[in-house]
Amino acid sequence: DQQVKQNSPSLSVQEGRISILNCDYTNSMFDYFLWYKKYPAEGPTFLISISSIKDKNEDGRFTVFLNKSAKHLSLHIVPSQPGDSAVYFCAAETQAGTALIFGKGTTLSVSS
Amino acid sequence: EAQVTQNPRYLITVTGKKLTVTCSQNMNHEYMSWYRQDPGLGLRQIYYSMNVEVTDKGDVPEGYKVSRKEKRNFPLILESPSPNQTSLYFCATKPGLATNEQFFGPGTRLTVL
Repeated sequence: DQQVKQNSPSLSVQEGRISILNCDYTNSMFDYFLWYKKYPAEGPTFLISISSIKDKNEDGRFTVFLNKSAKHLSLHIVPSQPGDSAVYFCAAETQAGTALIFGKGTTLSVSS
Repeated sequence: EAQVTQNPRYLITVTGKKLTVTCSQNMNHEYMSWYRQDPGLGLRQIYYSMNVEVTDKGDVPEGYKVSRKEKRNFPLILESPSPNQTSLYFCATKPGLATNEQFFGPGTRLTVL
């Protein structure tokens, strides 16, 4: 059973608007979450992360929110830019730190 | 420049012909790992290594072998590839278990006919 779920395969947003990407998880033992961005023909690159002891982490245009009671996190991109068009993966780190459990990804398209 | 390199980047082969995908990192990281990405399934871990001569299975290890004889290299070996191993493979590294972010290589697209 999937432990990390990204239920929206795709999202289209206009340049300058907010992009909100969602992620749900089932394992309450996860205590660290990461977002990765992937362009075609490249490896995933780290974007932003959040520890389970926090509910928000911000880095420039990117903010991640964590709702532990709902087992839900979201990535907000404000303002969205055409260069943000990519596949975004949500990942949870196992307690031992030996693996990342990934969602299926959400393809974000930002139009100008 | 800190980097994770994989070779080859693209490979088409036939069933049963042994192959090795190499992964090398220049960051002196202790931890290295292999993932495969398949359509609709995200990335899944194949094997990982916490240091030289220390390796362990991930979620989908069947049909794969790894070795870690040197800190910088972590090759993925397919002794008898099958079509269900057609996939996009990524090597990843991080300094150690105490760190969270993993750095990914550029990927190797493998097709097994």
